[in-house]
Amino acid sequence: DAKTTQPPSMDCAEGRAANLPCNHSTISGNEYVYWYRQIHSQGPQYIIHGLKNNETNEMASLIITEDRKSSTLILPHATLRDTAVYYCIVDGTSYGKLTFGQGTILTVHP
Amino acid sequence: SAVISQKPSRDICQRGTSLTIQCQVDSQVTMMFWYRQQPGQSLTLIATANQGSEATYESGFVIDKFPISRPNLTFSTLTVSNMSPEDSSIYLCSIPTVGSGANVLTFGAGSRLTVL
Repeated sequence: DAKTTQPPSMDCAEGRAANLPCNHSTISGNEYVYWYRQIHSQGPQYIIHGLKNNETNEMASLIITEDRKSSTLILPHATLRDTAVYYCIVDGTSYGKLTFGQGTILTVHP
Repeated sequence: SAVISQKPSRDICQRGTSLTIQCQVDSQVTMMFWYRQQPGQSLTLIATANQGSEATYESGFVIDKFPISRPNLTFSTLTVSNMSPEDSSIYLCSIPTVGSGANVLTFGAGSRLTVL
């Protein structure tokens, strides 16, 4: 079973920040938080991951709470191309074995 | 990052037949992973394919149904045997992204199978 809980869907206006929450209250000390997204008819795309510190790359920022029980993926300036299913995954020990949940369907509208 | 090519991109198959999906990577990789995505569902790992050894299957998946070959470090095939409509899914191969964490994977675009 997936170790994360995400809202099934969210909307965001183009140009605004999209903040996607994820709860992972049972996360273990050695488990990372990974975010992937899947645009329609494509394979999943890696976005970002982190252990306990906040992370930022060219795609997004990842904010992890101090107790590590939840995190937020931030797309700072959402575009229509960011419309996708976003998956929050907690894993640390199973090489290549990602447990995908149902994810959040993010719809970016004009 | 590595480029993954899958063939076929989509196919329509008859019940009882078998289909082999190919996954070609433009660089050498030790491990390759095969995932399945059933309609409206999320992804599930089928097996891990290492070059030179038998594939390791996840619970609920067996070699007789999903035989995997891994003849070299850039290529793998997944066969879906004796297909039924329940096998209608997107099948995706993936590889670890070089220089990144263990679970930073690059995925192919997938092979969409429809079984009639």
